[in-house]
Amino acid sequence: SAVISQKPSRDICQRGTSLTIQCQVDSQVTMMFWYRQQPGQSLTLIATANQGSEATYESGFVIDKFPISRPNLTFSTLTVSNMSPEDSSIYLCSTTSGTYEQYFGPGTRLTVT
Amino acid sequence: GEDVEQSLFLSVREGDSSVINCTYTDSSSTYLYWYKQEPGAGLQLLTYIFSNMDMKQDQRLTVLLNKKDKHLSLRIADTQTGDSAIYFCAESPLNDYKLSFGAGTTVTVRA
Repeated sequence: SAVISQKPSRDICQRGTSLTIQCQVDSQVTMMFWYRQQPGQSLTLIATANQGSEATYESGFVIDKFPISRPNLTFSTLTVSNMSPEDSSIYLCSTTSGTYEQYFGPGTRLTVT
Repeated sequence: GEDVEQSLFLSVREGDSSVINCTYTDSSSTYLYWYKQEPGAGLQLLTYIFSNMDMKQDQRLTVLLNKKDKHLSLRIADTQTGDSAIYFCAESPLNDYKLSFGAGTTVTVRA
């Protein structure tokens, strides 16, 4: 299984600012994903982070709000831009190496005030 | 994404078996997952099953799949206090790694 770390683990941010979340995997992986878990809710896929190309966003999520980078096969970042209180959530990255086992990072708990 | 539905709460006595149920709508071949989320933690992959299987067992965990009814269950034998958590059912279609999650079932283990 892949070991995934995320930074920061939590943050409290003011509205209108941006936060970049880092996701590091201990091995090279084919696919990386970013999910959002709003308070008391289930997980929703934001986008697929593709190495060497633009991320693929799901309906309801746009690149201007959630820019993603994937510079190599072990690392990705998600930026939450121009934050509002509605962006308060847990943001999780996940990965698979091409098998159907998908592993998640510990999450970044974001509170926007 | 596909619809995945779960009951929201389950209370079980320590030592008893827990059964968490899930239904999904995808009619094609698919992978089905169970994840565990403890308070303040990320998601832990417990087990997964491909839709051409009926059952999968791993120590205290048993997954049963009724493909005709699109019904998935997770049985936890000899439930312990450490099993108290939210359990998520998730589905991904064949050749697509995107997961669609259920709302999660909060399992409370009482002494």
